[in-house]
Amino acid sequence: NAGVMQNPRHLVRRRGQEARLRCSPMKGHSHVYWYRQLPEEGLKFMVYLQKENIIDESGMPKERFSAEFPKEGPSILRIQQVVRGDSAAYFCASSPSGLRYGYTFGSGTRLTVV
Amino acid sequence: QQQVKQSPQSLIVQKGGISIINCAYENTAFDYFPWYQQFPGKGPALLIAIRPDVSEKKEGRFTISFNKSAKQFSLHIMDSQPGDSATYFCAALDKLIFGTGTRLQVFP
Repeated sequence: NAGVMQNPRHLVRRRGQEARLRCSPMKGHSHVYWYRQLPEEGLKFMVYLQKENIIDESGMPKERFSAEFPKEGPSILRIQQVVRGDSAAYFCASSPSGLRYGYTFGSGTRLTVV
Repeated sequence: QQQVKQSPQSLIVQKGGISIINCAYENTAFDYFPWYQQFPGKGPALLIAIRPDVSEKKEGRFTISFNKSAKQFSLHIMDSQPGDSATYFCAALDKLIFGTGTRLQVFP
């Protein structure tokens, strides 16, 4: 069991470029959650997805951010036209059932916008 | 309503001592309170968790104390070791809301 796999581990983007972060949940997990962690801060909920559905996106910024979890393949968090304030660690977690127990986190993607 | 307040922000403890981290919440709909441990460059890992119908839960050197009426819960690390040096986050469900974290340093 490979756990929750996130890639890339580190991503550098220039201002205005697009960032794509990938998350492959644990085998048997069909629920994915994305969190953002700013330096010296806790994790902030962004979005909760099931296969092909966005269940809760109340933590997503209204513009430039989107997420998907297609029927096949990993979940993708997409940030368009990145700005310096987007620099953070983005963590994905998966669980076998909905917003309850059994969350497992990946090691994160550290996005740096230069 | 959706906040979980955590203190202290940082904690320095000598090896063998007791580390205590406190959290408070407002939303009485929360019904599951996990603690996560995070090492630099890694994702958070579940350490121990409690439900509000229990006042205390112990797993090895780690104990959660829960005070439902005060809406507070705390993590106690007994016999703290240098390997416990990490950042600790309390959290609350229904939607996993994290505290701001406590950076624990245990010196030999």
